[in-house]
Amino acid sequence: GQQLNQSPQSMFIQEGEDVSMNCTSSSIFNTWLWYKQDPGEGPVLLIALYKAGELTSNGRLTAQFGITRKDSFLNISASIPSDVGIYFCAGLYGGSQGNLIFGKGTKLSVKP
Amino acid sequence: EAQVTQNPRYLITVTGKKLTVTCSQNMNHEYMSWYRQDPGLGLRQIYYSMNVEVTDKGDVPEGYKVSRKEKRNFPLILESPSPNQTSLYFCASSWASAYEQYFGPGTRLTVT
Repeated sequence: GQQLNQSPQSMFIQEGEDVSMNCTSSSIFNTWLWYKQDPGEGPVLLIALYKAGELTSNGRLTAQFGITRKDSFLNISASIPSDVGIYFCAGLYGGSQGNLIFGKGTKLSVKP
Repeated sequence: EAQVTQNPRYLITVTGKKLTVTCSQNMNHEYMSWYRQDPGLGLRQIYYSMNVEVTDKGDVPEGYKVSRKEKRNFPLILESPSPNQTSLYFCASSWASAYEQYFGPGTRLTVT
């Protein structure tokens, strides 16, 4: 099946630093989503991207839908301890409206 | 309160003993989906449903069954569980399609 390559797998940063993570695929995706999962809970949607080239912000988070439709990135500015968690990219490809593919996640640790 | 509920939250069972994990949402969502989460593999979609009586396979449907007789419920059935189905399972729902899903709290299943 389709795969999303998410990197890095993990990050250990100092509070206040900016963070960048990305997802790539060999296939074209028509929607990109970014989720965050806190320990012991289900993922929560952070940002949804629907058009190639789209740049969307949600507070300190900014995500972009790559112009080739094969990649997306998520930036977090001025990280704080509550940013700790696992971040997942996810996408819908082809004509599918229901088959969501997830990346393997980026585990973020923030040192106060 | 808008929510997705799953029961049970934790289950330990033996190989071959049929089990059902229930999922219910109170948001009148049309779309519902099941995922499993395994370490290092991210979330993988098992089945999804675009509406009542409409279900489709995700990426890892083998060994699972689902039904969607009512809009609010989407049970996951394991007819003959095996140890490789030991995992953390999430149910999710959204208004339509897989775009902006609300996830349940998860069900941790262990098959011995």
